[in-house]
Amino acid sequence: DAGITQSPRHKVTETGTPVTLRCHQTENHRYMYWYRQDPGHGLRLIHYSYGVKDTDKGEVSDGYSVSRSKTEDFLLTLESATSSQTSVYFCAIRPGLGDTQYFGPGTRLTVL
Amino acid sequence: AQKITQTQPGMFVQEKEAVTLDCTYDTSDPSYGLFWYKQPSSGEMIFLIYQGSYDQQNATEGRYSLNFQKARKSANLVISASQLGDSAMYFCAMRLYTSGTYKYIFGTGTRLKVLA
Repeated sequence: DAGITQSPRHKVTETGTPVTLRCHQTENHRYMYWYRQDPGHGLRLIHYSYGVKDTDKGEVSDGYSVSRSKTEDFLLTLESATSSQTSVYFCAIRPGLGDTQYFGPGTRLTVL
Repeated sequence: AQKITQTQPGMFVQEKEAVTLDCTYDTSDPSYGLFWYKQPSSGEMIFLIYQGSYDQQNATEGRYSLNFQKARKSANLVISASQLGDSAMYFCAMRLYTSGTYKYIFGTGTRLKVLA
């Protein structure tokens, strides 16, 4: 158990509304990642963080912003949700020892 | 371009038989890591196996082995003695180290169905 939780686990929202997804870890790992999973695309990196207040963009960052004010929390915000952002969102961490990423349970977001 | 390619969108295998899921990768970095994850219908991402680019031996974890052919840039997953519970989506992934940070890229996945 990598100690990663995501909230909410499911959310339905309307186009144009802001949405924030939370990823919480209990082990103080430095690296945290947000991905989206869509059929036919696998997992695509949205943003990642390599420390408090240190973040960078991934391949599909348009329309998303992130913040990391504490080591344990990494927030993903959709400023104005669109239907194309309907997806399953996964958070992941990279422990300090070893190369492997471990994933949270995912958040299913539906934008109507 | 750095990329992971999984060319088999779906596969079937008979229970108790072995199956190979293909993965090819593209990178010019000398140091990288290769991974396989399993995603059952319940949705969680489960880490299966890891191979480092400098590892001489192929990685094994129980019924899972990673057939690492560096010259061919392939990292195929072999599942021996398939079980019904192996039915899932399988993703190949690669760890890169660029601009001082670690990033990961994923293939599009292979859906495996084990037949009784």
